[in-house]
Amino acid sequence: DGGITQSPKYLFRKEGQNVTLSCEQNLNHDAMYWYRQDPGQGLRLIYYSQIVNDFQKGDIAEGYSVSREKKESFPLTVTSAQKNPTAFYLCASTPGPGGTPDTYEQYFGPGTRLTVT
Amino acid sequence: RKEVEQDPGPFNVPEGATVAFNCTYSNSASQSFFWYRQDCRKEPKLLMSVYSSGNEDGRFTAQLNRASQYISLLIRDSKLSDSATYLCVVILTTDSWGKLQFGAGTQVVVTP
Repeated sequence: DGGITQSPKYLFRKEGQNVTLSCEQNLNHDAMYWYRQDPGQGLRLIYYSQIVNDFQKGDIAEGYSVSREKKESFPLTVTSAQKNPTAFYLCASTPGPGGTPDTYEQYFGPGTRLTVT
Repeated sequence: RKEVEQDPGPFNVPEGATVAFNCTYSNSASQSFFWYRQDCRKEPKLLMSVYSSGNEDGRFTAQLNRASQYISLLIRDSKLSDSATYLCVVILTTDSWGKLQFGAGTQVVVTP
């Protein structure tokens, strides 16, 4: 089955530690995204990548870093510089550029719930 | 002002009733619109795209009003399984990739 996997589902870390969240897709999608969701809020874009070895900052990139060394993988590192890292992190992908609505459909992974204490 | 706004609810709906809610967007150049459904502590999943002429998928009807800059979702004959948060997604197509904006969601609770 094609899809997006994120691991782990739950992650606990102590303040001051960096942590890397995994995101893998086998949909052969060009674009991948990282979002953060806080209670009662919409999804906020952290980083996105449209092609291997290239990525762009989203609306709330401070305190986060990413890499895109392979088309299938887009890991997110939450650094100790991120002031409020506790949140639900969602990875998504889309097929690629195009003029039809279906190319914009976001396929989401199951998410990682990060708690930092 | 947020680019995409939704009434957070909750909309408490008796089973079998009809519920409708809107999503307003601020950028008149927005091109594509979607409704996603998100269950508690789960990832969002696409419910339906919203076409200019309006579209229906079973008990769900989506409408777009460009003049007033909002989209709507109507759920007929509500089921208990319709209880979820419904996210509005608006896409601004500045390039071929588009820029997605998510609303914060409208919570629907269907009661027996």
